[in-house]
Amino acid sequence: QKEVEQNSGPLSVPEGAIASLNCTYSDRGSQSFFWYRQYSGKSPELIMFIYSNGDKEDGRFTAQLNKASQYVSLLIRDSQPSDSATYLCAVDETADSWGKLQFGSGTQVVVTP
Amino acid sequence: GAGVSQSPSNKVTEKGKDVELRCDPISGHTALYWYRQRLGQGLEFLIYFQGNSAPDKSGLPSDRFSAERTGESVSTLTIQRTQQEDSAVYLCASSQGLAGDEQYFGPGTRLTVT
Repeated sequence: QKEVEQNSGPLSVPEGAIASLNCTYSDRGSQSFFWYRQYSGKSPELIMFIYSNGDKEDGRFTAQLNKASQYVSLLIRDSQPSDSATYLCAVDETADSWGKLQFGSGTQVVVTP
Repeated sequence: GAGVSQSPSNKVTEKGKDVELRCDPISGHTALYWYRQRLGQGLEFLIYFQGNSAPDKSGLPSDRFSAERTGESVSTLTIQRTQQEDSAVYLCASSQGLAGDEQYFGPGTRLTVT
């Protein structure tokens, strides 16, 4: 059973601090990794994707990928109350060649003013 | 352009009734996914359509659940003889159907079985 694991949280972060979210995956052949943000009562929205080892920065968000250790992380710099949401990690399934993703259960982030 | 749309946005039904949920994917997206999300839980994969290939039904929880898709357009998810445990938000997503491609989600249908 391929798995994507995340700490459920809640992760409490003071406003202005860095939020660090981690995700581990079991499918060693996975090549594509995504972070989605889901506000309460809303559907998930894509915020980052990463395919190569290393860091990828987009505004206040940085995704980090380490395929050897099978983990992907998301850093949120200068956290704002509007960043309070559940963050879902998603990983492609290598047995499927058409883009099927497996989602973690999400980490709840609470940014406190 | 238009995103993924779903209807109805909310559905309340009595236990034992059948319901149909609809999803309109982004135009040109060949892949379409259905997920279920119970309150406070993660996404539960239900079924996946890719072009003219046989759908991946591995996530359907019972034979009361079925889904159809017409070509590369609209999909309907049908739940027969609904049970209270079917209460959840049903999310549809679509993608271009390429390896490594991101999925875009619709707003969901909130189903409540009384």
